[in-house]
Amino acid sequence: GAGVSQSPRYKVTKRGQDVALRCDPISGHVSLYWYRQALGQGPEFLTYFNYEAQQDKSGLPNDRFSAERPEGSISTLTIQRTEQRDSAMYRCASSISSSHEQFFGPGTRLTVL
Amino acid sequence: AQSVAQPEDQVNVAEGNPLTVKCTYSVSGNPYLFWYVQYPNRGLQFLLKYITGDNLVKGSYGFEAEFNKSQTSFHLKKPSALVSDSALYFCAVRPNTGFQKLVFGTGTRLLVSP
Repeated sequence: GAGVSQSPRYKVTKRGQDVALRCDPISGHVSLYWYRQALGQGPEFLTYFNYEAQQDKSGLPNDRFSAERPEGSISTLTIQRTEQRDSAMYRCASSISSSHEQFFGPGTRLTVL
Repeated sequence: AQSVAQPEDQVNVAEGNPLTVKCTYSVSGNPYLFWYVQYPNRGLQFLLKYITGDNLVKGSYGFEAEFNKSQTSFHLKKPSALVSDSALYFCAVRPNTGFQKLVFGTGTRLLVSP
């Protein structure tokens, strides 16, 4: 595709439910990043993949958050047992390599009731 | 640890006037610096970057930014603002080695009045 795509664009869930957010990077982009953006703030780093390898997960807030990129392309960010504080915009980005600029997808707006 | 400061929550400028959106940074070693723009209900769009070389870098939509190492600044500029430039602007930094994550500022809202 022409850009990074994310699905769903909007997700409303009840507290305690698990959610899976999907990111489809730009074709050929080796590096993939997940960020979380609270209202009125800049994006905050969650995790980073180079090909299928998760190189840095230091930004994941706790063990309810996990991410995978099994074939080095599409990635899934999973939040287990969601809490209201997890409500935010979740953004995915990809880059042709780790030393190049990142291109962002439209984001998934998660609301936990 | 790296950090970015955008000291102005909002910048107001009249159409046709020059604009500056300020950014200062802190990073170990040499920085990679970026500006992104966010329009309502849209994703972040890459504007420009400083990696190495000329301190003045040019980017999309007529924007440019000046890297000043002594002042640890990377201010975004445009000679003549357009109403359509009104948006949220984010500065970001990462070191040129090691960790790949971008650290973003809190953003500056630019309002260009007709």
